[in-house]
Amino acid sequence: EAEVAQSPRYKITEKSQAVAFWCDPISGHATLYWYRQILGQGPELLVQFQDESVVDDSQLPKDRFSAERLKGVDSTLKIQPAELGDSAMYLCASSLSLANNSPLHFGNGTRLTVT
Amino acid sequence: AQTVTQSQPEMSVQEAETVTLSCTYDTSESDYYLFWYKQPPSRQMILVIRQEAYKQQNATENRFSVNFQKAAKSFSLKISDSQLGDAAMYFCATPRGGATNKLIFGTGTLLAVQP
Repeated sequence: EAEVAQSPRYKITEKSQAVAFWCDPISGHATLYWYRQILGQGPELLVQFQDESVVDDSQLPKDRFSAERLKGVDSTLKIQPAELGDSAMYLCASSLSLANNSPLHFGNGTRLTVT
Repeated sequence: AQTVTQSQPEMSVQEAETVTLSCTYDTSESDYYLFWYKQPPSRQMILVIRQEAYKQQNATENRFSVNFQKAAKSFSLKISDSQLGDAAMYFCATPRGGATNKLIFGTGTLLAVQP
């Protein structure tokens, strides 16, 4: 079964450094999501793409976070500079469409630790 | 605004027994979807079951079923004949609103299965 690919699996970085995460959605999935999951909490949406366009980035801290999906396929989420509070799991998900009954398929996530 | 509440941080069940995980939600939508996702220790979030609010019949997927009480805004998950592989974090979720497929998650319930 096709899966959402994410890398790296783990990332340790010092505060004030830059860090980037990569996601390759399931082939044919037009909608891509980046979620942040703080330990002990449910995932929270950071940004949503439909093809190469941002649909919603209202929860993305734009002073330090950026996300792109230039060709409407894979996506990169960047943090610069990283802060201690950014330590979390970053989950990428994809779905066939924006329809509310279109199931999300998640990747394994990137565990970020900022020291 | 849509909210999702899971009041059981942890639950435990004996292998082969039945367990029910609780979820309540609040939404202004007249038609909506509800989901249960499972996040095993390997971290990949997997869709367990989904319910369409306009359908009165409770959804069932093999050993997993829901008790959907629309008036009470309650959406509990019942796991029958629990297996060791059911041990995971379980999240209840619903789309934020509109045809956007932006899921709001509860804080999760950690299910332990005792042999």
